Amino acid sequence: GAVVSQHPSWVICKSGTSVKIECRSLDFQATTMFWYRQFPKQSLMLMATSNEGSKATYEQGVEKDKFLINHASLTLSTLTVTSAHPEDSSFYICSATGQEYEQYFGPGTRLTVT
Amino acid sequence: AQSVTQPDIHITVSEGASLELRCNYSYGATPYLFWYVQSPGQGLQLLLKYFSGDTLVQGIKGFEAEFKRSQSSFNLRKPSVHWSDAAEYFCAVMYNNNDMRFGAGTRLTVKP
Repeated sequence: GAVVSQHPSWVICKSGTSVKIECRSLDFQATTMFWYRQFPKQSLMLMATSNEGSKATYEQGVEKDKFLINHASLTLSTLTVTSAHPEDSSFYICSATGQEYEQYFGPGTRLTVT
Repeated sequence: AQSVTQPDIHITVSEGASLELRCNYSYGATPYLFWYVQSPGQGLQLLLKYFSGDTLVQGIKGFEAEFKRSQSSFNLRKPSVHWSDAAEYFCAVMYNNNDMRFGAGTRLTVKP
């Protein structure tokens, strides 16, 4: 149980375009989902926390107009990188909160902006 | 300030040798503590967690960790490392029920 999926697993897009990443909790309802960003050989950095039906809370330094997060249901959160640039290339990982405050992580999405 | 420290960026051990990965945290109260493993290009897999109770926690793949309040530490151990254990290991601390912070990670290399 407690499986989180992400789609796509990798995506290449051209600079200036937008790309949407989906995060789904497959077998549980997640009231809270988290989006992380990971640069090569570095740790995970929390970007934002989203609660179902409300606006996401962004960490300091994360541009909310660039990284749009929607948590429309208890099983789906989306991250849209708008007007992507090469510096947005990264590994994006989502997680969802299950029982006992444990976070279940998705497999990640590798974004490459050319 | 709340922080998670993994002092060792990279550790190399021989297959069959014992392993200890260090993790220290800074927080006023006892947080929830986690160890995750990440293989290249993959997501995170939970090895073990500590919320309360017995301070020695058993996890998957033969890993264990011990919470030491006096040292604010939660070190990960394994008595005999296998080549498949080579990966990146992250210590994580959860504050305020949902706010999780990760250490910088320790890369484990296993020599044959």
